[in-house]
Amino acid sequence: DAKTTQPTSMDCAEGRAANLPCNHSTISGNEYVYWYRQIHSQGPQYIIHGLKNNETNEMASLIITEDRKSSTLILPHATLRDTAVYYCIVRRYYGGSQGNLIFGKGTKLSVKP
Amino acid sequence: DSGVTQTPKHLITATGQRVTLRCSPRSGDLSVYWYQQSLDQGLQFLIQYYNGEERAKGNILERFSAQQFPDLHSELNLSSLELGDSALYFCASSRDPLSYEQYFGPGTRLTVT
Repeated sequence: DAKTTQPTSMDCAEGRAANLPCNHSTISGNEYVYWYRQIHSQGPQYIIHGLKNNETNEMASLIITEDRKSSTLILPHATLRDTAVYYCIVRRYYGGSQGNLIFGKGTKLSVKP
Repeated sequence: DSGVTQTPKHLITATGQRVTLRCSPRSGDLSVYWYQQSLDQGLQFLIQYYNGEERAKGNILERFSAQQFPDLHSELNLSSLELGDSALYFCASSRDPLSYEQYFGPGTRLTVT
């Protein structure tokens, strides 16, 4: 599975869009990008995933570059409750033998009033 | 609320003891995963069960074991506990065994003294 690189921390003003980048330059054609977040000591929460098209759901949007080497998670109107560690995870879908997630260190997003 | 329940929320025990952590997956989910989160190791996958059968193993110590019962709830047994086993233990569930869209419970915080 491709390695991911995320900034250690980011700040965002409340009400503004939070754009969280993830680099996955070694991603292969059958690997998906997944985003999870973990609010302090709570269980990780699934946010969104995608292969190559941009995806949007009620929580966030996922923008994947055309070459798929990087992606951005967008929280359109960040609130204080969005303060969390955000994990970008790349996994091969239905190609591997294990369904487990591999978490890196993620990005600590602090939303400030 | 993810729909995954874990008990107990907190557990304090002494070194050398044995404990059992319990997880009930979301309704309809057949796959259960156990993850450990400690301060120095981050979130690490331990073991996965699918419909009662062990599906995949991660960094699970021999002192630890798990099972999934016919009603699909799962238990993680930790024995001969050491100080280093103090951590948050999360259970997650998914519809199928290779799904990376997983739903996590609130966790059990284990403190070994």
